[in-house]
Amino acid sequence: AAGVIQSPRHLIKEKRETATLKCYPIPRHDTVYWYQQGPGQDPQFLISFYEKMQSDKGSIPDRFSAQQFSDYHSELNMSSLELGDSALYFCASSFGGLNTEAFFGQGTRLTVV
Amino acid sequence: KQEVTQIPAALSVPEGENLVLNCSFTDSAIYNLQWFRQDPGKGLTSLLLIQSSQREQTSGRLNASLDKSSGRSTLYIAASQPGDSATYLCAVNSNTGNQFYFGTGTSLTVIP
Repeated sequence: AAGVIQSPRHLIKEKRETATLKCYPIPRHDTVYWYQQGPGQDPQFLISFYEKMQSDKGSIPDRFSAQQFSDYHSELNMSSLELGDSALYFCASSFGGLNTEAFFGQGTRLTVV
Repeated sequence: KQEVTQIPAALSVPEGENLVLNCSFTDSAIYNLQWFRQDPGKGLTSLLLIQSSQREQTSGRLNASLDKSSGRSTLYIAASQPGDSATYLCAVNSNTGNQFYFGTGTSLTVIP
């Protein structure tokens, strides 16, 4: 069965550079969530989208932005990268918003040097 | 804000033992609760989803229960195997927003 696809799987950037992470949800899923997981930490919610509209916002820095496109894929744009942005970034998708099972991708490991 | 706590933080058991992982949450206004498994440096694999109206869900050797009024969920693993070694996370989907609140995780080691 198709799963949530994230690209790239690994990314190395220098401080102050920009990064774009992509998420392709399971076909027919209309909800996307982004999470950040630092080393030894539990996942922290960044932002979510339902039917291409932002539906909830968590601890996402102003340097980050995200959107969900007409084909339901989502992109997380990160600018002015800092060392502390190094983390595993997860995308999850679900169908129908709040009350359904979420499936997570394998994550993008971002390292800022 | 929803706070989710998992106890214990780490657990080591010999192969074949039955074990229970605990998850507690502060706000009972939830849509559902989901248990995940995470291997080191890997993604999150969904194990079980319990809707707020349900009391338990079972999948193979896994059984998850939910007591919404007391803010508790347990994940029961029967006849543990070394391949069960991983970190187990519970996540609560509150009905005050569209996000999952994760617990701190339980790191499980099953010793052959």
